[in-house]
Amino acid sequence: EVQLVESGGGLVQPGRSLRLSCAASGFTFDDYAMHWVRQAPGKGLEWVSGITWDSGTMDYADSVKGRFTISRDNAKNSLYLQMNSLRTEDMALYYCAKGFCDSGYCYDAFDLWGRGTMVTVSS
Amino acid sequence: QSALTQPRSVSGSPGQSVTISCTGTSSDVGGYNYVSWYQQHPGKAPKFLIYDVYKRPSGVPDRFSGSKSGSTASLTISGLQAEDEAVYYCCSYAGSYTEVFGGGTKLTVL
Repeated sequence: EVQLVESGGGLVQPGRSLRLSCAASGFTFDDYAMHWVRQAPGKGLEWVSGITWDSGTMDYADSVKGRFTISRDNAKNSLYLQMNSLRTEDMALYYCAKGFCDSGYCYDAFDLWGRGTMVTVSS
Repeated sequence: QSALTQPRSVSGSPGQSVTISCTGTSSDVGGYNYVSWYQQHPGKAPKFLIYDVYKRPSGVPDRFSGSKSGSTASLTISGLQAEDEAVYYCCSYAGSYTEVFGGGTKLTVL
């Protein structure tokens, strides 16, 4: 089955760190760019970070730049998000999303999403 | 990286058409033909509807269509059905490998 399964969320105090993971299955993981997108409770979607298939390029939303680090392990079909210096405004459901490719071309879109892992930042 | 602007809500009756706008700037929507759209039902993950402004991935009904004029992209849903009631998000490439979403539009089917 083609799926993404996030894990690693939980309750953390402001200023602390957390590492999210996303396990991919059912497709050739290292053929695709991957992304993290978050959604605060009752709010809209916010792109957080993306990484190319070969980890050659990573980028981040301004709101997390310098605090979050995206990485991937293609041998383990896994995507990660290291979150440091967490703030209350980082509290959200974090989705892992797969970049969309078709007929050998890749596009700026996300065609497969996980169910998300919740990060709660509170003292 | 300011969020794209979408109306908070739109509504329509079954069988009618509705259009959801998504306004950005020359740094995102206006600068690239890389707008995508997503549908999200309550408690569910987003579903991919449109890419490259107007292209539909396999499996998405042709009732869903996209367009763009200047810095405003639009999603039109024709032949509204009850199951179309959801929140819709636009997303645009914003340069330097970054993406930006709109604030979301709640569609109510009357």
